[in-house]
Amino acid sequence: AQSVAQPEDQVNVAEGNPLTVKCTYSVSGNPYLFWYVQYPNRGLQFLLKYITGDNLVKGSYGFEAEFNKSQTSFHLKKPSALVSDSALYFCAVRGPSMDTGRRALTFGSGTRLQVQP
Amino acid sequence: AAGVIQSPRHLIKEKRETATLKCYPIPRHDTVYWYQQGPGQDPQFLISFYEKMQSDKGSIPDRFSAQQFSDYHSELNMSSLELGDSALYFCASSLRQGGTEAFFGQGTRLTVV
Repeated sequence: AQSVAQPEDQVNVAEGNPLTVKCTYSVSGNPYLFWYVQYPNRGLQFLLKYITGDNLVKGSYGFEAEFNKSQTSFHLKKPSALVSDSALYFCAVRGPSMDTGRRALTFGSGTRLQVQP
Repeated sequence: AAGVIQSPRHLIKEKRETATLKCYPIPRHDTVYWYQQGPGQDPQFLISFYEKMQSDKGSIPDRFSAQQFSDYHSELNMSSLELGDSALYFCASSLRQGGTEAFFGQGTRLTVV
């Protein structure tokens, strides 16, 4: 079974400071990892993904994430936070299979990011 | 660009009633997923379809059923509704190829009273 852990319910950061939202995963084989953001009463918006290749992946709105296989982590980062980044962030994993397009995502519990002006 | 369309956006039902949620995937996407997100919870996978056939099954109650039609839209049918069914229901679609991300609709907020 695959699982995702987001150890922080909430992360507070001042605008302009770097931010990190943590995620660790458990899956058999090589994982497909995703970050989604959710604004209040809205759907989940895709930010970025790691499939293979460079461990540092860049996504939307200046976000990036670093895949660390030895630590089974996929932390979300941004060099300079904006107040508008305040939202709920979900890390998700999908295990590999012969037909991964059919596999459902398993989400972490979410981390609320609060960026103070 | 076209996104995943869900209808209705909001739905209020009484206990023991039935509800039908609809999802129209992104054009040419062949896989549809249904998720349930309770208040303050992470999205829980219910069921998915690929090419109109059930693909994976998650924590979908027996009172719920779903199908994907020839035009790839999907419907989630919920019967004997309970208060605990109140949640945000998301539909997502993706392509069959490995590693592709799923795109989510805005969700249907179901309130059971």
